Amino acid sequence: DSGVTQTPKHLITATGQRVTLRCSPRSGDLSVYWYQQSLDQGLQFLIQYYNGEERAKGNILERFSAQQFPDLHSELNLSSLELGDSALYFCASSVAPGTGNTEAFFGQGTRLTVV
Amino acid sequence: AQTVTQSQPEMSVQEAETVTLSCTYDTSESDYYLFWYKQPPSRQMILVIRQEAYKQQNATENRFSVNFQKAAKSFSLKISDSQLGDAAMYFCAYLWGSQGNLIFGKGTKLSVKP
Repeated sequence: DSGVTQTPKHLITATGQRVTLRCSPRSGDLSVYWYQQSLDQGLQFLIQYYNGEERAKGNILERFSAQQFPDLHSELNLSSLELGDSALYFCASSVAPGTGNTEAFFGQGTRLTVV
Repeated sequence: AQTVTQSQPEMSVQEAETVTLSCTYDTSESDYYLFWYKQPPSRQMILVIRQEAYKQQNATENRFSVNFQKAAKSFSLKISDSQLGDAAMYFCAYLWGSQGNLIFGKGTKLSVKP
C-alpha cells in the first residue's frame, strides 16, 4: 500500500458526460501529480499541484481541469468525455515539488471507460 | 524535448536467470534523475530503482541493478535470479527540473517462465 488513495477504482460513463476523480495523497505529501495511461499514448503527465497551487502542466486537454484543496486532496475533472478519454488515471504524491531524491508514490489508479 | 525510448516491447526470461531491459533517453540537461518502475497486473506503479545522473556509480537494489551510460544516454535494468513475481510491465522514466513530473517510456512487458 503506497498510502495514496484514489477513488473510484472503476468508472463507466457515456460520451459527453462529466466525471470527477479523487486523490488523497500520502500523509505529509504536499505535491500531487496526475498521469494518464492509455494503450496508444502510454503514461503521460497531465498536471501537478503543490500545496494548493498549480505547479506544472503537461499534456492536459482543455476539457480537463484539476484542483488541490486545503486538506491537500486533489480532484481531476474530465468533461465532454470522448471515447478516446478511456484510460487509467493515476495520481502520485511526493513531499517536495520535484527533487529527484523524493520518491513519487502512486495510487492504484482509476480505470475510466467511456461508452 | 526530453524523450524516453524502450525498444523492447516484450521480453521473456527463465526463472532464476538474468535479464536486461533497455532504455535510452534524449536530453540536453546534465543534471537529472532516471528511474525504473514496475507495474504488475495489480496496476500499482512501484519504484524499483533510482539513479542520479551526477553519480557515476551504478545504482543497485538487491537483485536489481542498472547500467548507466551517461554519454550514450543509456539506462538499462538488470534483473538477476529472476522470480515469478518479477513478471510485470517495466517503465523507464526521466525526471528533470523542480516540477518533479516523470517522463515515461512505453514500457517493456517481462514474462518469467517457471
